[in-house]
Amino acid sequence: DTAVSQTPKYLVTQMGNDKSIKCEQNLGHDTMYWYKQDSKKFLKIMFSYNNKELIINETVPNRFSPKSPDKAHLNLHINSLELGDSAVYFCASSPGTSGARGTDTQYFGPGTRLTVL
Amino acid sequence: QKEVEQNSGPLSVPEGAIASLNCTYSDRVSQSFFWYRQYSGKSPELIMSIYSNGDKEDGRFTAQLNKASQYVSLLIRDSQPSDSATYLCAVNKKDTGRRALTFGSGTRLQVQP
Repeated sequence: DTAVSQTPKYLVTQMGNDKSIKCEQNLGHDTMYWYKQDSKKFLKIMFSYNNKELIINETVPNRFSPKSPDKAHLNLHINSLELGDSAVYFCASSPGTSGARGTDTQYFGPGTRLTVL
Repeated sequence: QKEVEQNSGPLSVPEGAIASLNCTYSDRVSQSFFWYRQYSGKSPELIMSIYSNGDKEDGRFTAQLNKASQYVSLLIRDSQPSDSATYLCAVNKKDTGRRALTFGSGTRLQVQP
């Protein structure tokens, strides 16, 4: 049983292209996230959605646009890909944002390795 | 100053020894603390969470939190070669609306057979 899944696992594309990454969770969680892990393995938050509503939007170029059709899905669309976008993108989910213990525990998907040539 | 700091390592310990991984954080309003393990090419996997000062034990793992010193650590007893991975410390603040984790850069642990 896959808890948090992402597609595709690998994505190789040319500069300037537009691509999407999809994420789905079957944990019944209310909150989903996108993180970027760069070549130095530093993991940084990009976006967070709670019940389809955007609650965190870090300093990310507006070429990146998240979309949450329902609380089980969070997709990431990237326009005009650049070399610096090459990284591993992780989706994660947590039960909620109420602040109660355990609600902020996050579970990660397998990651999407994006390579921009 | 980084929000969450870890020694990048590698930390090398012999099999069967205790591995001690340390993490400091800068923001006193931090409320939730997590340790994740990440094998090369894989996603972060939750090991433990800790919310209160003191120790929390789960099998071979013990997390220790000292909010006054803004310090959280992870002890791995009876280290095994399979414990060789990067260990990520993560911190969550309890400010309005923000529930994303702030990660340290990770400590690479090598357990020598």
